[in-house]
Amino acid sequence: DAEITQSPRHKITETGRQVTLACHQTWNHNNMFWYRQDLGHGLRLIHYSYGVHDTNKGEVSDGYSVSRSNTEDLPLTLESAASSQTSVYFCASTTSGVPTNEQFFGPGTRLTVL
Amino acid sequence: AQSVTQLGSHVSVSEGALVLLRCNYSSSVPPYLFWYVQYPNQGLQLLLKYTTGATLVKGINGFEAEFKKSETSFHLTKPSAHMSDAAEYFCAVSEQAAGNKLTFGGGTRVLVKP
Repeated sequence: DAEITQSPRHKITETGRQVTLACHQTWNHNNMFWYRQDLGHGLRLIHYSYGVHDTNKGEVSDGYSVSRSNTEDLPLTLESAASSQTSVYFCASTTSGVPTNEQFFGPGTRLTVL
Repeated sequence: AQSVTQLGSHVSVSEGALVLLRCNYSSSVPPYLFWYVQYPNQGLQLLLKYTTGATLVKGINGFEAEFKKSETSFHLTKPSAHMSDAAEYFCAVSEQAAGNKLTFGGGTRVLVKP
């Protein structure tokens, strides 16, 4: 069955370190998204991609970057981790061109920055 | 810009009682509306969505929602709560011009009492 996976599921890091969170989907979806989930804020969009070599900034993109070298993967990099980036991160994907299609979410990565 | 407001960050209901979760949105164009559910330590999964047509939408697990354009609302209901409904629920909106990007509300956590 097609799926979307994230790794690691839990990560503890120190302030100033570079961290990369992996997202891999086997749906063959063109559109991929990264969100962070914080209490009271719901999910907020960090970055998104509509296809290979395409990346776009979302609502809360400062301090984060993504790259899309193939259809299946959209890794999220925290250039220099800050305590404010402690959060739960979700990756999602969907087919392109149809805004009514649901997004499929990964299980999330809980990141703690000390 | 789109925005979504969920009234009440926590809702407590008795098993067998009505579940009512409120969602109001702002959008400059007719929106597409979604309800997602998140069970503990899991990603989000789609409950139901409104795109066009019938304003009363039925979803999985006995949930339904009604789109009311005049009230800019998309409230979620279930006639009889079950213990398994304990979860966090998110309302989200997307616009055709925004591609597949979703804007989420802050979420409502539902507690079901026996």
